[in-house]
Amino acid sequence: ETGVTQTPRHLVMGMTNKKSLKCEQHLGHNAMYWYKQSAKKPLELMFVYSLEERVENNSVPSRFSPECPNSSHLFLHLHTLQPEDSALYLCASSQGTGAGVGTFGSGTRLTVV
Amino acid sequence: AQSVSQHNHHVILSEAASLELGCNYSYGGTVNLFWYVQYPGQHLQLLLKYFSGDPLVKGIKGFEAEFIKSKFSFNLRKPSVQWSDTAEYFCAVTHNYGQNFVFGPGTRLSVLP
Repeated sequence: ETGVTQTPRHLVMGMTNKKSLKCEQHLGHNAMYWYKQSAKKPLELMFVYSLEERVENNSVPSRFSPECPNSSHLFLHLHTLQPEDSALYLCASSQGTGAGVGTFGSGTRLTVV
Repeated sequence: AQSVSQHNHHVILSEAASLELGCNYSYGGTVNLFWYVQYPGQHLQLLLKYFSGDPLVKGIKGFEAEFIKSKFSFNLRKPSVQWSDTAEYFCAVTHNYGQNFVFGPGTRLSVLP
């Protein structure tokens, strides 16, 4: 374990479903991130939260909705996804946002059917 | 927009061969540079990072990288690879205090025993 825990590890959902991905870190970090890793594409930064406030949103479709209730928890709420949203979703955390992303979780493998 | 390119999609080497993976970025200002590694079935891990100072950076597991500002490059090297180095390697760049964290597409390294 890295100190960044993601659940579930695997998720299969229909296009009309609503689900949430959860990320939890016990490293005392104050910044958390959501990334999307698709096959044959660069790792994409989706959202950055620093001190529980969103500081970056890289034009992510509104069917992805992040939530950061505190500095240890990060959620990604999913609704009406498309098959092309199938990917590995990685959570990460760091102390501050200037030093790069220090620790990644193992990811949630999402399949949209 | 900032971008990161990695020259090789897939590199195949025999054990004890020397490794160099290319990474180039497009941003002209001050950057922080990173190499991450993802072993099969595992999470992303930070290999090494460059912020300032000596452009030759040493990381974990015998890896090093050299920042050449004039070439906008940050190539990863290892003098003698092992089978256990088989993994995917990602170069990443950030500037503006981490608010534009960009990963390269990754290079898959296969080391033959």
